[in-house]
Amino acid sequence: AQSVTQPDIHITVSEGASLELRCNYSYGATPYLFWYVQSPGQGLQLLLKYFSGDTLVQGIKGFEAEFKRSQSSFNLRKPSVHWSDAAEYFCAVGLSNDYKLSFGAGTTVTVRA
Amino acid sequence: SAVISQKPSRDICQRGTSLTIQCQVDSQVTMMFWYRQQPGQSLTLIATANQGSEATYESGFVIDKFPISRPNLTFSTLTVSNMSPEDSSIYLCSVEMLAGEKNTYEQYFGPGTRLTVT
Repeated sequence: AQSVTQPDIHITVSEGASLELRCNYSYGATPYLFWYVQSPGQGLQLLLKYFSGDTLVQGIKGFEAEFKRSQSSFNLRKPSVHWSDAAEYFCAVGLSNDYKLSFGAGTTVTVRA
Repeated sequence: SAVISQKPSRDICQRGTSLTIQCQVDSQVTMMFWYRQQPGQSLTLIATANQGSEATYESGFVIDKFPISRPNLTFSTLTVSNMSPEDSSIYLCSVEMLAGEKNTYEQYFGPGTRLTVT
């Protein structure tokens, strides 16, 4: 069965420190991969996506993610977090022949001063 | 990208009643989706709504409980019928559009409708 796993429910990071959020997927074929951010009381905003090509993708707000086929992972990173990065982050996976997305459980990021 | 609005943004309803949520997009799109996000949970797809055809529901969701309309390429409604407290959730609509340098599909989400059923 297809699945998306975000192993970390909650991460606390100091402002200015680096951040890495993990995402693992279980799919039969190479999926399309997305990271979304949901700020409190807001809808979801697309940070970045991977379809093919360069496995290191750059997104908005200084985020990047790396697709590692051998590890079935698509981890999100940011070198230096800002207080405004405090939010819920969702990894999502889709298939090339199916527009539906499957979402991970989400990781809540808290930024301390 | 797309600008998506939802009405209402939030509501408190009594059990047994129904609420219709509207989703408006600023451009024409073929595929629209409705998701549910229960408190503290991730998103679960309710159904896919294409203009001119019946909505396609995911396992665990039925048309009698969540009837959907898709009268044109910029608008859709989701009705939550005969509500119970278990229906308290955020309901989000999304659209699928071609975007980016590689002209690949992306989903854009509305701000959500926060529903509380008492």
